[in-house]
Amino acid sequence: RKEVEQDPGPFNVPEGATVAFNCTYSNSASQSFFWYRQDCRKEPKLLMSVYSSGNEDGRFTAQLNRASQYISLLIRDSKLSDSATYLCVVAEDETTDSWGKLQFGAGTQVVVTP
Amino acid sequence: DGGITQSPKYLFRKEGQNVTLSCEQNLNHDAMYWYRQDPGQGLRLIYYSQIVNDFQKGDIAEGYSVSREKKESFPLTVTSAQKNPTAFYLCASSLTGISYNEQFFGPGTRLTVL
Repeated sequence: RKEVEQDPGPFNVPEGATVAFNCTYSNSASQSFFWYRQDCRKEPKLLMSVYSSGNEDGRFTAQLNRASQYISLLIRDSKLSDSATYLCVVAEDETTDSWGKLQFGAGTQVVVTP
Repeated sequence: DGGITQSPKYLFRKEGQNVTLSCEQNLNHDAMYWYRQDPGQGLRLIYYSQIVNDFQKGDIAEGYSVSREKKESFPLTVTSAQKNPTAFYLCASSLTGISYNEQFFGPGTRLTVL
């Protein structure tokens, strides 16, 4: 079983629509969670950290469900520039201020169409 | 501009040759990492270094070697012992090794074994 699992997609989304997708993780002790964005043949870049209470950054909303061990990302009012692969990242940390290897999901591809 | 650089962008290697991938950062970060990305898979950790003159093996260190003689530099050598080296190699750095610190990635090196 993979440590972090994502639906690879692609999710084809009309411009202006809302898209949401999840990722599941296996390590129940993990404390730190992130969404990274990766454009085609480029390096990943941090999109947002995911906090226990859920958090929002503009059109992006991230949620954490510890009981079911998944995190989600919702994109509202999709733009053409949102087309990318979104990587779910979970740290194998035991406390919020310890070192923990990052486990990367394989990514969910989102394609926003005009 | 502060950032993390990798060179070369593309590298072709004949079987049996060792090659060294460069990674330099001017962000004054203590921690540096090497990942490998293959199609359809998440990033996998090869080696990491939380401080200069110290480094540890990641999940797939076999056939690779690193050094961390300077804070800003973390070169990766892909040896002939690495059985399937063709991949996209990403170097990253973070302020410290603590999980919640954002990892910044370089633009990557695409290695192809001929």
